Amino acid sequence: QKEVEQDPGPLSVPEGAIVSLNCTYSNSAFQYFMWYRQYSRKGPELLMYTYSSGNKEDGRFTAQVDKSSKYISLFIRDSQPSDSATYLCAIRTQGGSEKLVFGKGTKLTVNP
Amino acid sequence: GAGVSQTPSNKVTEKGKYVELRCDPISGHTALYWYRQSLGQGPEFLIYFQGTGAADDSGLPNDRFFAVRPEGSVSTLKIQRTERGDSAVYLCASSFMQGSLETQYFGPGTRLLVL
Repeated sequence: QKEVEQDPGPLSVPEGAIVSLNCTYSNSAFQYFMWYRQYSRKGPELLMYTYSSGNKEDGRFTAQVDKSSKYISLFIRDSQPSDSATYLCAIRTQGGSEKLVFGKGTKLTVNP
Repeated sequence: GAGVSQTPSNKVTEKGKYVELRCDPISGHTALYWYRQSLGQGPEFLIYFQGTGAADDSGLPNDRFFAVRPEGSVSTLKIQRTERGDSAVYLCASSFMQGSLETQYFGPGTRLLVL
C-alpha cells in the first residue's frame, strides 16, 4: 500500500461547479497536509496547507483534514477555466526529514 | 523576485551516458530538495540538503545517482550510466520556514529523456 493514495482522474467539470479532490494516507505520524497545483510543464506551486485536523479556507479554496479516517480533501467553489491543472496532495511528518510524500495527482479540467 | 531555476530545461541523452542537472535555489534558502516525477505520477523524493550536507538521501534509487551542494547554494544531481527508466522530470525545490511549516518552492524541472 502506498503511503498516499489519490485518484488520478481525470476530472472534467463545467465552469462554476464545485470540485472535490481527495487523498487518503496510511501513516498516522503525518502532521502537515498540503495541496499543490501544477500547470502543464511547470513545477508544483503550494496552494494551501493545514496542520492536524480541521478546515482551512482561502478564497474559493477549502482544505479539510480528518485524521481519524486519514482522509484529506480540497474543495474548489465556483471553479474557473484557470483552475484547470493537476492537483497534488502532499504530506509530511513533524520533525525528522522534511521530505514531502505526494499523491499521484488529479488532473482537473474546467470547461467554459 | 527570482524563483528556483533549473538547467537545462530539457536533456536528451543516450543509454549509458553521464548527465548533470543543475539547480539554483532561491537566495537565502538553506534547504534544497530533489524529486523525480515520472509521467502520470506525483513527485518522488530523492535527496534533501540542509546547507552543504545531505541530511537525507534515502530516496536515491541506486548508486548511479549522486548529488552535491558544495557551497550551500547551487546543487548538481549527477546520474551515471543512464538507463531508459531514468527518463522523468527532475524537480528541485528550496525552502524557508513559513510559520511552523517549511514551505518548499519548486523549480520548473529538467525533462530528461534517455534513448
